[in-house]
Amino acid sequence: DPKIIQKPKYLVAVTGSEKILICEQYLGHNAMYWYRQSAKKPLEFMFSYSYQKLMDNQTASSRFQPQSSKKNHLDLQITALKPDDSATYFCASSQTGFNERLFFGHGTKLSVL
Amino acid sequence: GDSVTQTEGQVALSEEDFLTIHCNYSASGYPALFWYVQYPGEGPQFLFRASRDKEKGSSRGFEATYNKEATSFHLQKASVQESDSAVYYCALSDSSGSWQLIFGSGTQLTVMP
Repeated sequence: DPKIIQKPKYLVAVTGSEKILICEQYLGHNAMYWYRQSAKKPLEFMFSYSYQKLMDNQTASSRFQPQSSKKNHLDLQITALKPDDSATYFCASSQTGFNERLFFGHGTKLSVL
Repeated sequence: GDSVTQTEGQVALSEEDFLTIHCNYSASGYPALFWYVQYPGEGPQFLFRASRDKEKGSSRGFEATYNKEATSFHLQKASVQESDSAVYYCALSDSSGSWQLIFGSGTQLTVMP
């Protein structure tokens, strides 16, 4: 059974719209992350959270907003979508945080038309 | 900033061949170094890590040794199998204290029977 659930698996959106990517982890971990994978940048860090608190944000655009309603949830809201946002978005988690092995979900593949 | 360089974009081997995927890094101090493997349609999976000079990490027959002097962490396996076909990523923990892992560009390994 997958321990990190990402929904949906595939997502198609029109330019200018808004979407929310869902992530839940059932590993009992305290740290969660978002990474993005595209043809231009294979695996690119976006955010890290620990105990529902934002630890690090390497995303230049405020159009990307993580949302943590529970310790094991970290959703990603993307507003004013652009074709360049097309990528696979991976949620990940680790036990506590820094320097640890990451466990990744299967990803949400976003296509912006 | 910190960076990881994987020399080979693609590697094609036959079963039982010896594998080397080169990974060099640029960072200050002693970053933790990682190898991840990604199969089609899945998120990256942790292989192993090393965090000190001359430390060897290993898993599933793969191994790499942390070489501070050469700033390298090359992945090796003595005898590859068709099931090893996947994309391999070298990564390092950001030396600035950020929680991000910095990934290399990835190496597509194809093993022919």
